[in-house]
Amino acid sequence: EAQVTQNPRYLITVTGKKLTVTCSQNMNHEYMSWYRQDPGLGLRQIYYSMNVEVTDKGDVPEGYKVSRKEKRNFPLILESPSPNQTSLYFCASSLSLSITGELFFGEGSRLTVL
Amino acid sequence: TQLLEQSPQFLSIQEGENLTVYCNSSSVFSSLQWYRQEPGEGPVLLVTVVTGGEVKKLKRLTFQFGDARKDSSLHITAAQPGDTGLYLCAGAQDSNYQLIWGAGTKLIIKP
Repeated sequence: EAQVTQNPRYLITVTGKKLTVTCSQNMNHEYMSWYRQDPGLGLRQIYYSMNVEVTDKGDVPEGYKVSRKEKRNFPLILESPSPNQTSLYFCASSLSLSITGELFFGEGSRLTVL
Repeated sequence: TQLLEQSPQFLSIQEGENLTVYCNSSSVFSSLQWYRQEPGEGPVLLVTVVTGGEVKKLKRLTFQFGDARKDSSLHITAAQPGDTGLYLCAGAQDSNYQLIWGAGTKLIIKP
């Protein structure tokens, strides 16, 4: 089944404790992206990747890191999480980036930073 | 900052009623997409519109792209409880293809 898989789905952590949210897609998609979703703000892009070893900042990259060593994986790293990073995170992928490209989303990872 | 404004932000109606959700901007988009997100899941693409004035239908859902490609609407006829969800519009521009997202319309259809 074609899908984007995120882990963990739920995580409660404390300020400063490094964490990684994994994202994997099995559709051989070139483009992958991370979003955070907060009430009333919609989806805001954190980082995106056009292909292996190619990553770029989105609208809200501060406090996050990403890597794209393999085509299928695009982990999101929070080196020192803070409470303002409490949010619902989505990973998404697309075959390629175009004006008609469909984004496929994971089920989301709800992160709480205490 | 380019914005896509969605209205209303929240809508709760009875089953069988009709409704329209709007997505407006001062910017021109090459395409506009509508996604639906159900609780506990990621957004799922409903439709992509590309041509100014284009109308697409998906069963009881009708999507329209404005003539100037700055706005779009989603009309639902005879809403059903299964239509409940968060509806998101997202626009793409030729310059970089990155999607610009609206904040969403939370729709509740009561039986």
